[in-house]
Amino acid sequence: AQKITQTQPGMFVQEKEAVTLDCTYDTSDQSYGLFWYKQPSSGEMIFLIYQGSYDEQNATEGRYSLNFQKARKSANLVISASQLGDSAMYFCAMREGTQGGSEKLVFGKGTKLTVNP
Amino acid sequence: EAGVAQSPRYKIIEKRQSVAFWCNPISGHATLYWYQQILGQGPKLLIQFQNNGVVDDSQLPKDRFSAERLKGVDSTLKIQPAKLEDSAVYLCASSLGRRARETQYFGPGTRLLVL
Repeated sequence: AQKITQTQPGMFVQEKEAVTLDCTYDTSDQSYGLFWYKQPSSGEMIFLIYQGSYDEQNATEGRYSLNFQKARKSANLVISASQLGDSAMYFCAMREGTQGGSEKLVFGKGTKLTVNP
Repeated sequence: EAGVAQSPRYKIIEKRQSVAFWCNPISGHATLYWYQQILGQGPKLLIQFQNNGVVDDSQLPKDRFSAERLKGVDSTLKIQPAKLEDSAVYLCASSLGRRARETQYFGPGTRLLVL
């Protein structure tokens, strides 16, 4: 079973509008972390925002915010006031508990966001 | 602060040839990761190092892939012999430590095409 599911292969948004990118996850761990990365056509993965499973408040970083609904196991990324430079692939990723195991990130398949002028 | 460096940026080889990728992590980062990203998918971990030691190589095809991290800094990932399905972007990442909250910072990647 997929651990990270991103159901939107592609999304379109008008410049200056807000957009929500969906992410649901599957884990039995109580302690885990959720990350969003942006990957422009150049290929580099750029860290955007982090949400810990025990964090009570939704994470925010500038124009990025994370709508974390723990009971629903969802961690949607909200981008406010979209800019043309936001056009890229967006990946949701999870890192599960670190009890002596790997801290690998498990990624979803990504959502391609296109911002239209 | 300098980011994660990788070289080469692009490589084209023929199947059955060998290839090596190099990664220099962010200064002071003890943990280093190699990910493989096949077109249309998210990255998948190949191997994780903590200083010189291997933490996780469960998804590394050990019959053809090898990796080392000498002196706990730079790392090299090698494929020998390459197959067509190895065509992908190889991403190196590093993090300060191993706590769940530690962010992994990625390099620009090496795009490999196997013909």
